[in-house]
Amino acid sequence: AQKVTQAQTEISVVEKEDVTLDCVYETRDTTYYLFWYKQPPSGELVFLIRRNSFDEQNEISGRYSWNFQKSTSSFNFTITASQVVDSAVYFCALSEGGYQKVTFGTGTKLQVIP
Amino acid sequence: EAGVTQSPTHLIKTRGQQATLRCSPISGHTSVYWYQQALGLGLQFLLWYDEGEERNRGNFPPRFSGRQFPNYSSELNVNALELEDSALYLCASSLGTFQETQYFGPGTRLLVL
Repeated sequence: AQKVTQAQTEISVVEKEDVTLDCVYETRDTTYYLFWYKQPPSGELVFLIRRNSFDEQNEISGRYSWNFQKSTSSFNFTITASQVVDSAVYFCALSEGGYQKVTFGTGTKLQVIP
Repeated sequence: EAGVTQSPTHLIKTRGQQATLRCSPISGHTSVYWYQQALGLGLQFLLWYDEGEERNRGNFPPRFSGRQFPNYSSELNVNALELEDSALYLCASSLGTFQETQYFGPGTRLLVL
């Protein structure tokens, strides 16, 4: 069975600080996909990134970066120079096999204080 | 390009009634997914429809049902509403191929009194 753990329930940082959101996953499949979504107070989940299990290259997109390590089953997300608009709940998710059923972590609520 | 749309945005019902929620996917997407986000319970997978067929179902009772129409839009029906059905119901869509990214709509907030 697949499982996603986001141990950090809430994080508060001061604007311009860097922050890392942790994600640990469990799966028996060799082929799987990992995702990060952002849920602002409005409620809509916004897709941020998708990574497949064969691509361990880290990725940087503007102030966002992702560190995928299969050896530790982790897919961590770092926001550099955080801004108030980054305040949201961030979800890590896992999709395995051909079932198209995505398992979400419980989310990390990030509050960026001006 | 229009994203996933859902209606209504808010819905208030009383216990025992039926609720119908609607979702229109992104143009070109054939798969539609429904999730329940109840307070304190996170995002729970409800249903997956593709090409008009139910492909997978989460751990929910049969009073949660739905369908997908020929234009790929979808309805989620919840019968015999219970207080604990109060939640944000999110719809997502994707291309119907393997492991495509799911894009979410704004959700319908259902309140059962």
